[in-house]
Amino acid sequence: GAGVSQSPSNKVTEKGKDVELRCDPISGHTALYWYRQRLGQGLEFLIYFQGNSAPDKSGLPSDRFSAERTGESVSTLTIQRTQQEDSAVYLCASSWTSGGSQFFGPGTRLTVL
Amino acid sequence: QQPVQSPQAVILREGEDAVINCSSSKALYSVHWYRQKHGEAPVFLMILLKGGEQKGHEKISASFNEKKQQSSLYLTASQLSYSGTYFCGTMNYGGSQGNLIFGKGTKLSVKP
Repeated sequence: GAGVSQSPSNKVTEKGKDVELRCDPISGHTALYWYRQRLGQGLEFLIYFQGNSAPDKSGLPSDRFSAERTGESVSTLTIQRTQQEDSAVYLCASSWTSGGSQFFGPGTRLTVL
Repeated sequence: QQPVQSPQAVILREGEDAVINCSSSKALYSVHWYRQKHGEAPVFLMILLKGGEQKGHEKISASFNEKKQQSSLYLTASQLSYSGTYFCGTMNYGGSQGNLIFGKGTKLSVKP
């Protein structure tokens, strides 16, 4: 596609359930990033993938959060046993190379009841 | 280390100028600037590499002072379309080669 796509656009779940968020980066982009943005707040780095290198997981807030990426394509962010404080917009971005300009997807708005 | 942006918010009249600053306590390798309109995803404006300055848009430019570990975004003759929240993202020496740490943002409102 022409841009980064994310699905679902909205997700409402109950506390304690697991959720899986998907990101399709721009074709050819080797780097992929996940961010969390709480209402009215800035962008909080979660995890970064670059090619076949080990991902930088330094931003993951707890072991309930994990992410995978298949080659240089789709990535999924999984949140286990969701908590109300996980409610936020989860943004995915990709770039041609590490450190390059990032192109963001529209985000997934997660609401944990 | 999260960069510090100032001011937190600014209100302008159309045609006025504004400067947004981004400072880091660590040596900077590069600085990115993004704009996010309400309810939308952030959009890339420009990237500044060490020792360089790059203009990404006609009336929006930026500077990068390595020594002072800071960058400034200049918006000239502001237009209504400039309204939004501006974020700087920094990449530090010794940090992960790729991920950006974003500031808390500067909310810019341009009034007619």
